[in-house]
Amino acid sequence: SQTIHQWPATLVQPVGSPLSLECTVEGTSNPNLYWYRQAAGRGLQLLFYSVGIGQISSEVPQNLSASRPQDRQFILSSKKLLLSDSGFYLCACTGSAYDTQYFGPGTRLTVL
Amino acid sequence: AQTVTQSQPEMSVQEAETVTLSCTYDTSESDYYLFWYKQPPSRQMILVIRQEAYKQQNATENRFSVNFQKAAKSFSLKISDSQLGDAAMYFCAYRTNFGNEKLTFGTGTRLTIIP
Repeated sequence: SQTIHQWPATLVQPVGSPLSLECTVEGTSNPNLYWYRQAAGRGLQLLFYSVGIGQISSEVPQNLSASRPQDRQFILSSKKLLLSDSGFYLCACTGSAYDTQYFGPGTRLTVL
Repeated sequence: AQTVTQSQPEMSVQEAETVTLSCTYDTSESDYYLFWYKQPPSRQMILVIRQEAYKQQNATENRFSVNFQKAAKSFSLKISDSQLGDAAMYFCAYRTNFGNEKLTFGTGTRLTIIP
């Protein structure tokens, strides 16, 4: 079964600073990968998804970007963070059947 | 666009009792998946149970079962013999079989277990 790693677990960054969150997956090949954000007390919002290396689709216009340099690596980036970027970021991947998404432990981002 | 509604922001249940969490959704599709995820204080989303829309039989996973009413677009979660470890936020989610197959989440139900 798949295992999803995310780091860092917690991050505090000043407004205007860059961001790089990393997600790596073990135990599966050619997964679909997803970045979600969860604001405090809310459900999850899909930010980006990828069906293959170099293939990124964005769901919500914002100052974030995503990249998939390897099959099982998914990176979320920003050149300049905004206060509104604070939240809990979750990476998800599909299993072998592609019909279910499994989530990583998440990264808590606070922008001050 | 699909929407998922969880009308119970909070629920509580006595330990060892049974509780049902409600979820309704809106879609024009006939083929899709429905899920319940649990988010404990650690905030990791943990899959509890899933249902394929083309299957009439309700899914069951140990103490967790669903009541899937496709015509009514209802997907409730029943937790039997509630345990302290069941305390968490529970999210209902819909997954389309088209396009990016993204998950659309409800706003969640916070479940408290009373010892």
